[in-house]
Amino acid sequence: QVQLQESGPGLVKPSETLSLTCSVSGYSISSGYRWGWIRQPPGKGLEWLGTVYHSGSTYYNPSLKSRATISLDTSKNQFSLTLTSVTAADTAVYYCTRRAPSSSLRDYWGQGTLVTVSS
Amino acid sequence: QSALTQPASVSGSPGQSITISCTGTSNDVGGYNYVSWYQHHPNKAPKLMIYDVTKRPSGVSNRFSGSKSGSTASLTISGLQAEDEADYYCDSYTSSDTWVFGGGTKLTVL
Repeated sequence: QVQLQESGPGLVKPSETLSLTCSVSGYSISSGYRWGWIRQPPGKGLEWLGTVYHSGSTYYNPSLKSRATISLDTSKNQFSLTLTSVTAADTAVYYCTRRAPSSSLRDYWGQGTLVTVSS
Repeated sequence: QSALTQPASVSGSPGQSITISCTGTSNDVGGYNYVSWYQHHPNKAPKLMIYDVTKRPSGVSNRFSGSKSGSTASLTISGLQAEDEADYYCDSYTSSDTWVFGGGTKLTVL
């Protein structure tokens, strides 16, 4: 059974860097599929942040203006999200996901982790 | 990139059918058969209900179906049940190698 689990600080100060890790069990992240991050600010809708392929190629939401980096750590079977220069607008529940190649099948999600940006 | 357009809310009585629309452009919904629908209950992870416009993942009720015409995708729920009450989101692949979500639709079962 594939499982994804987010981890990271629940509180980040404005202008600092948000770092989250997604630990994957039941499937090797280097075997295929696309690994990504999606967030939901309080009271708002879902927002796609970006994706990393098993090859290491990355794609990002242009609205993040190059603040985001998604990377793989195949030795730990994890992938991560870093978001620099955060503001209160980055307060959200962050989800990590798995998506099948050449498909919109985003079949596995982490439970989500709330990150609050506040001093 | 602009969010896909969904109605803010829809409602229906138990047993009825409802349809939620998701309107984009030729650069996303209209250009690719990569549209998904998610059901989202508060404090839970979104659940995939439809992918690739019309396909249903294993375990999802056949009361849920998807379709597309031009740049508008639709989710239809037949035989509405109380547990269907949730927020529903569509998303689509785009010509920029990105993904875009709709703003979400709150479904109320009367």
